[in-house]
Amino acid sequence: QITLKESGPTLVKPTQTLTLTCTFSGFSLSTSGVGVGWIRQPPGKALEWLALIYWDDDKRYSPSLKSRLTITKDTSKNQVVLTMTNMDPVDTATYYCAHSFVRGGSGAPFDYWGQGTLVTVSS
Amino acid sequence: DIQMTQSPSTLSASVGDRVTITCRASQSISSWLAWYQQKPGKAPKLLIYKASSLESGVPSRFSGSGSGTEFTLTISSLQPDDFATYYCQQYNSYPWFGQGTKVEIK
Repeated sequence: QITLKESGPTLVKPTQTLTLTCTFSGFSLSTSGVGVGWIRQPPGKALEWLALIYWDDDKRYSPSLKSRLTITKDTSKNQVVLTMTNMDPVDTATYYCAHSFVRGGSGAPFDYWGQGTLVTVSS
Repeated sequence: DIQMTQSPSTLSASVGDRVTITCRASQSISSWLAWYQQKPGKAPKLLIYKASSLESGVPSRFSGSGSGTEFTLTISSLQPDDFATYYCQQYNSYPWFGQGTKVEIK
């Protein structure tokens, strides 16, 4: 059974750095084809993909946010960490991590999701 | 970047209706398209992948079609549990999402 859970601060101040951790079980990020991504959703708005890391440490970032994002994995701890620098009130959103498994082609859908964590950016 | 455009943004329908949502990609993505259902306060749920493959456990009233740049999600007979927001997502390159289609009660 695959599960993922996001953790991190619920409130950050503008200009601060956000660090979110995705702790998962039921799969290994050392298995060929596996990836973990981060997706966010501002209140009442659409989903926005942020970053993705694969089993082979290949990393992908949203071009518009690339300069602010870092994604890393700790295979031994079954965790993926996302850091986002220079937080702004417009970054207020629910942040999700999700599992993917390449089923052909160069990418994969997100088939298992965490419950999400709401991060508010405010002074 | 590949842009994903869904239509309509909102759809009003009744239980039992056949519902179709369209997703257009700004360039060809072959069949690398997924559809998700999201209910308020919940994480999205994968319904369809590779444009037309039904994810395990998803009711057969959901179906997907299309390739290249135009795709559709069809619900053959809308059920009370289906009132939600639906997103398409391409995964040919970066995993971009569409802006969502809210299916509401008529």
